[in-house]
Amino acid sequence: NAGVTQTPKFRILKIGQSMTLQCAQDMNHNYMYWYRQDPGMGLKLIYYSVGAGITDKGEVPNGYNVSRSTTEDFPLRLELAAPSQTSVYFCASSYSGRGYFGAGTRLSVL
Amino acid sequence: GQQVMQIPQYQHVQEGEDFTTYCNSSTTLSNIQWYKQRPGGHPVFLIQLVKSGEVKKQKRLTFQFGEAKKNSSLHITATQTTDVGTYFCAVDGNQFYFGTGTSLTVIP
Repeated sequence: NAGVTQTPKFRILKIGQSMTLQCAQDMNHNYMYWYRQDPGMGLKLIYYSVGAGITDKGEVPNGYNVSRSTTEDFPLRLELAAPSQTSVYFCASSYSGRGYFGAGTRLSVL
Repeated sequence: GQQVMQIPQYQHVQEGEDFTTYCNSSTTLSNIQWYKQRPGGHPVFLIQLVKSGEVKKQKRLTFQFGEAKKNSSLHITATQTTDVGTYFCAVDGNQFYFGTGTSLTVIP
């Protein structure tokens, strides 16, 4: 199993550009999550999904959108990127109380 | 959302000293988990505690869940430089909330 795979690893965006952060897991987990982590800070929940076709907002959803058309994939969409969205983004899945994290996407918006 | 506070925010210790981080909730928790994040890395699952008063050990790490299931602690005995990183507690429900984390620096 590859676990949770995130692409890209790094990205630089210009203000106002859009992009999609990809996340895929091969463990057949229903629960998936997107977090952002600002330098020296904790993890803030952006969106989560309890299964294919079901998504809901977390603590900091503004400026982001998600979809969950399959169990495996949970992409995060940034529309009209802003400097405040400069962060490290982690995708995670969970099963039986254990979380599995991807390696993260480091995003800079300039 | 679920509020889980962690203290201290930072801890610097000499190698060989002990280290403890605490996680506190205002509400009763069904379970609590602990994660370690190395600098530049991603959170890695350490353990899950479910039962009131539960104590679990992993080599030099001891994890405890409070009797009221509102607090938890992680204790590291005789720290090593490999223990450097940020330790997070997390609460699992439909949403998956993380505590604020404790950043551990070990001075050789």
